[in-house]
This record gives sequence, C-alpha cells and structure tokens, in this order.
Amino acid sequence: KQEVTQIPAALSVPEGENLVLNCSFTDSAIYNLQWFRQDPGKGLTSLLLIQSSQREQTSGRLNASLDKSSGRSTLYIAASQPGDSATYLCACSGYSTLTFGKGTMLLVSP
Amino acid sequence: ETGVTQSPTHLIKTRGQQVTLRCSSQSGHNTVSWYQQALGQGPQFIFQYYREEENGRGNFPPRFSGLQFPNYSSELNVNALELDDSALYLCASSWGAGGINNEQFFGPGTRLTVL
Repeated sequence: KQEVTQIPAALSVPEGENLVLNCSFTDSAIYNLQWFRQDPGKGLTSLLLIQSSQREQTSGRLNASLDKSSGRSTLYIAASQPGDSATYLCACSGYSTLTFGKGTMLLVSP
Repeated sequence: ETGVTQSPTHLIKTRGQQVTLRCSSQSGHNTVSWYQQALGQGPQFIFQYYREEENGRGNFPPRFSGLQFPNYSSELNVNALELDDSALYLCASSWGAGGINNEQFFGPGTRLTVL
C-alpha cells in the first residue's frame, strides 16, 4: 500500500525567500507524481506533473524533481510571494488512484 | 474549455440520511474520480468511473456508491450518513482509463456537514 509523507507539515517564511517542500513515498511503482496547491476550503489546483520517466518539471517559479529510486520528490519555489500562501499537496499516481500526503501549509509574510 | 464543476457547494444533513453529490467533468475528459478530504488530511480515493463503469475503488464501505452518465458527468451517493462522513468531497476528471493518462483535474468540492 502506497504511503506518502510530506515534510515539513507547516512552513513560515518572509517574502522573497527560496524554499523547498519535500515529499516521500514508499512504493516506487508510480505512473506519475503531481503537485497541487489548495487554498483554504477550496479544491485542488494542479501545479506540476512529472511522469515516472522524467526527473523534473518547471513552471515559472516552480520546479519539481522526482527520484523514484529513493522515493522522493521536491517542490522548489523561487522568490516566494504572499500569494504563494496555501497548502501544497503531492500525490503519487497508481493506475487509477492518486495517493496524497497530508500537505505542507505554507505562509509567506510580506 | 470548461473546468470541473460540482454541486452543491455546501450541504447539511442529519445522521442516517442519504445524500447525492454531482460532478461535471472537464470538456474532453471521459473519466471521473471521487475523493473524500477530512479536515487537516489529504484527499482519500473513493472510486473512479471510466466510460460508465467503475474502474477502481478505495477502502470505503458499500454505502458509498456512484454513477457515471453517457455525457461523463457523475454522481456520488452516500447512504446512512454518519458523523465521520463530514468532509470536503472532491471530484476530479481525466482522460483515459488510467496509467500514464492518470493526470487528474479537480473541481471546487462540496462541503458536507453531518449533524
């Protein structure tokens, strides 16, 4: 059974800092890994998807990496802004399922 | 391109009642998945429907059931509601039966409160 862990559970940084969110998973037999953003009480917004054959994906200030052999993914956010404040979730894809971590709650202060 | 929509936005029910939640998939998508997200937790997979057939199910009891219609919209039905069913219910759509096609796009969710 896939288990996904996200560290840290919460993070508070001043505006402008670069930061790294961590995701680890127990079963390397994944099809892809997705990173999502969730604002309080809202649905999930897809940020990046990394196919199992890829090592990283980039979108704007976001860069996600994937190391299947070690069961790890990182989400790097450059030059953080107050608008980045949200919960960030990683999800590992089985054939039809997504298995999520509990998320990292990020607060970026002005 | 129309995104995933869900209705209603919020719902309050009493223990023992039944509820139906609805989801319209993103245009061009033929697969719908449902998730339950309790407060402070990550979403938990309930089931997936592909071309009107169940295509995977998580660890949820049979009182959680679903349907997918020919236009690929979907319903989630929960019978005999329990207090622990209070959660945000998320619908996601994707294209294809799964595997490398399993990139899911989520709707805004339905907040269910059971009293």
